[in-house]
Amino acid sequence: EVQLVQSGAEVKKVGESLKISCKASGYGFNRNWIGWVRQKPGKGLEWMGLISPGDSEVRYSPSLQGQVTISADKSAGVAFLQWSSLKATDTAIYYCVREGSTFGYFDSWGQGTLVTVSS
Amino acid sequence: SYVLTQTPSVSVAPGQTATITCRGDNIEDQNVNWYQQKPGQAPLLVVYDDVDRPSGIPDRFSAFDSEDTATLTINRVEVEDEADYFCQVWHVATNHPVFGGGTRLTVL
Repeated sequence: EVQLVQSGAEVKKVGESLKISCKASGYGFNRNWIGWVRQKPGKGLEWMGLISPGDSEVRYSPSLQGQVTISADKSAGVAFLQWSSLKATDTAIYYCVREGSTFGYFDSWGQGTLVTVSS
Repeated sequence: SYVLTQTPSVSVAPGQTATITCRGDNIEDQNVNWYQQKPGQAPLLVVYDDVDRPSGIPDRFSAFDSEDTATLTINRVEVEDEADYFCQVWHVATNHPVFGGGTRLTVL
């Protein structure tokens, strides 16, 4: 069974850095792209980016490029989402997602990590 | 950028049929995927590649697309189907996925 287990909720201040994680299990980690989808409070889903763990190729949403860093530790089967300087507008639930087929759909989702950024 | 437009809300009585639409330019030329999100939960894939259902998704859920509109149909709606539904495509021209704004299905 495919499982994506994310790190716990975070409460941070504006300007702080943060790295959240997603541990994948139940499949060959290198075989599927894995990435992140954001959901701001009461809003819809927004794709942030994907990484191919096998070769570390990363694709970012054009609107978020430069604001976050997506990485993966393929030996540990873990994907990461990182900020160097958080903004209040980064407050959201962040979902880890696995691509079921290359450039297609997201067939597995993590439980979500709530990130709250206050001033 | 490519935009997918969904009706914000749909209401239906139990046992009836719910129809949720997703409009986008030439959407029939792309593979459309649908997700169900219940309150406080992560989204769940219910239809992929226009018409296929992951294992465990009841056959009450079906979908099709034509020209500029994709449609998710839920037959014999149950109270447990109450959720937000999002459509999604991988837009080849921009090479990234796009989500619709979501439709809240209320089961009266």
